[in-house]
Amino acid sequence: ETGVTQTPRHLVMGMTNKKSLKCEQHLGHNAMYWYKQSAKKPLELMFVYNFKEQTENNSVPSRFSPECPNSSHLFLHLHTLQPEDSALYLCASSQERTSGQETQYFGPGTRLLVL
Amino acid sequence: EDQVTQSPEALRLQEGESSSLNCSYTVSGLRGLFWYRQDPGKGPEFLFTLYSAGEEKEKERLKATLTKKESFLHITAPKPEDSATYLCAVQEGSNYKLTFGKGTLLTVNP
Repeated sequence: ETGVTQTPRHLVMGMTNKKSLKCEQHLGHNAMYWYKQSAKKPLELMFVYNFKEQTENNSVPSRFSPECPNSSHLFLHLHTLQPEDSALYLCASSQERTSGQETQYFGPGTRLLVL
Repeated sequence: EDQVTQSPEALRLQEGESSSLNCSYTVSGLRGLFWYRQDPGKGPEFLFTLYSAGEEKEKERLKATLTKKESFLHITAPKPEDSATYLCAVQEGSNYKLTFGKGTLLTVNP
């Protein structure tokens, strides 16, 4: 699925660095999501935006800061991360949150390694 | 207690050997059940959505079925390119959130 793109695809950062992940969807959707995928664990929902408004913060530490300037773009700003934050970060989008067309389409992910 | 349980965790098949993957769920008021395929280092790729018990959907060698307690993903005469992790997710009632299982890693040997 090339409708959702993510950059960078791989990122290595130190615990004191600040970096940002970018997601862009070309599907005309209005809802966007950030997920974390760690080994041997189910996908964990982090944040949800619907029509640019944040509607969900799933008890995510403040060292992760999302930003959604419009319905097509989503960012995840990272600062002072911990090694346990190393994971695959996935972005997804759907038509709307509760329209009955809620199938979420995922991007390729950013593989993050925190040293 | 996990709301979505997938079994087996891993399955190894020979090419052409049909089998089924299971996804059992405990949520009440199922809104939708979703199947995704995920290749290593990539994001999940949408396969099917099922909404009500008795519903079935097919795509090439894959067929998904749904009962009130579980879903099966049947793989008929699999090929090596079907090797991937298959993820199941459920959406409950008026809650838009997807709850994922841990996935089944399928390996199809030539």
